[in-house]
Amino acid sequence: EIVLTQSPVTQSLSPGERATLSCRASQSVSSSLAWYQQKPGQAPRLLIYDASNRATGIPARFSGSGSGTDFTLTISSLEPEDFAVYYCQQRSKWPPTFGQGTKVEVK
Amino acid sequence: QVQLVESGGGVVQPGRSLRLSCAASGFTFTTYAMHWVRQAPGKGLEWLALISNDGNSKYYADSVKGRFTISRDTSKNTLYLQMNSLRTDDTAVYFCARDNWGSGFFDYWGQGILVTVSS
Repeated sequence: EIVLTQSPVTQSLSPGERATLSCRASQSVSSSLAWYQQKPGQAPRLLIYDASNRATGIPARFSGSGSGTDFTLTISSLEPEDFAVYYCQQRSKWPPTFGQGTKVEVK
Repeated sequence: QVQLVESGGGVVQPGRSLRLSCAASGFTFTTYAMHWVRQAPGKGLEWLALISNDGNSKYYADSVKGRFTISRDTSKNTLYLQMNSLRTDDTAVYFCARDNWGSGFFDYWGQGILVTVSS
C-alpha cells in the first residue's frame, strides 16, 4: 500500500502567520490526494481534493499544490480556528491511505 | 443538510460482536458509495471498508477482512458495520463517511462512535 509521510509532525505558529504542510507519497499518486482538518473531538473535514481543489465552503486561505509524490497544503494567514491536525489522504491506489497527521499549534 | 449519525458503539469483550449503524439524511442515499473509517485513541485515521451505492460491491482493509462486514439498507437510509471477533486493537472511534461522487475522497463524516474492546 502507498505510505504517506507528513512533515513536520508539529508546527508552532502564531495567528496571521503562513502555514506550509508537506505530504510525501511512497509512489506516485498523480493528483489523487486530499487534505482534511480535524479538531479535538470532531470528525475530519474535507478541505482540498484532487490536490488543489477546495471543497465546498472552504475559505480561500487554504490552498493545495503538488502532484506525483510531493504535495503541500498552505494556509496563507492562520485564523484562530485553523489550529488543528491536518491529514493527507490518497485514493490513487487501493486501499485508500492517510498520512500520520501534522498538528498546527499556537506558538 | 447532509447528516450522518452513528450509533451502536460501547464496551465489548474480546472475541464478541457489535454492529454499528449510520443513519443518513439530507441527500439521496442510493446515489453515493459509503465508507467506514476508524481512529484509535491518539492515533491517525485508518480506512476500513467501502460499499458501492447499490450495495453490490464491497471492499475491506486487510486488518478487518473476514471479521467485519459492511452493508446498507436503502429503505432505512442506513449504513452498517458488523464487527465480529473483536480484538483489543479494534478499540477506536468509528466514523461513517460519504464518498465524494465516486472520487474515493470523503466529503461528509459522522460525528464518530467509540468502540472499546476490553475484558
